[in-house]
Amino acid sequence: DGGITQSPKYLFRKEGQNVTLSCEQNLNHDAMYWYRQDPGQGLRLIYYSQIVNDFQKGDIAEGYSVSREKKESFPLTVTSAQKNPTAFYLCASSVFRGSYEQYFGPGTRLTVT
Amino acid sequence: GQQLNQSPQSMFIQEGEDVSMNCTSSSIFNTWLWYKQDPGEGPVLLIALYKAGELTSNGRLTAQFGITRKDSFLNISASIPSDVGIYFCAGQLSEAQKLVFGQGTRLTINP
Repeated sequence: DGGITQSPKYLFRKEGQNVTLSCEQNLNHDAMYWYRQDPGQGLRLIYYSQIVNDFQKGDIAEGYSVSREKKESFPLTVTSAQKNPTAFYLCASSVFRGSYEQYFGPGTRLTVT
Repeated sequence: GQQLNQSPQSMFIQEGEDVSMNCTSSSIFNTWLWYKQDPGEGPVLLIALYKAGELTSNGRLTAQFGITRKDSFLNISASIPSDVGIYFCAGQLSEAQKLVFGQGTRLTINP
């Protein structure tokens, strides 16, 4: 089955530790995205990548980093510099040309204490 | 950044009722998308709209791309319990491939 996978579903970390969230897609999509969702709020864009080895900051990139070494993978690192990292993180992908439709993974809930 | 105003924020209805929600913006969008999110899951794409005035249906769901290109509407007819969830609108401004999301409409259905 084609789709987007995020792992793990739940992640717990101590304050001050960096943590990397996984996102993999086998849809052959060019573009990938990371969003953050807080309770009762919409989705805010963290980073996005339209092609391998290239990515751009979204609206709330501070305290986060990404890499795009393979078309299928777009991992997100939440660094210790992120002031309020506890949130629900969503990865999405879309075909770069011809479609603006983004398809989402199941999400990772990160709790930092 | 750009903002979308989605309303209502929440709806409490009886099973079988029709539902209407909308998104408005001061900016012009090239694309409007409507998503549904169940608790603890990722949003699922329901309908995509690409032309001003376009009216598109997906089963009991109907969405419209406003003529001014600054708004969009989603209607659900004859609601059923599985319609419960949060509905998000999203707009795409240009070739930047970035979506702007509304705050969501939480739909609760009383059986």
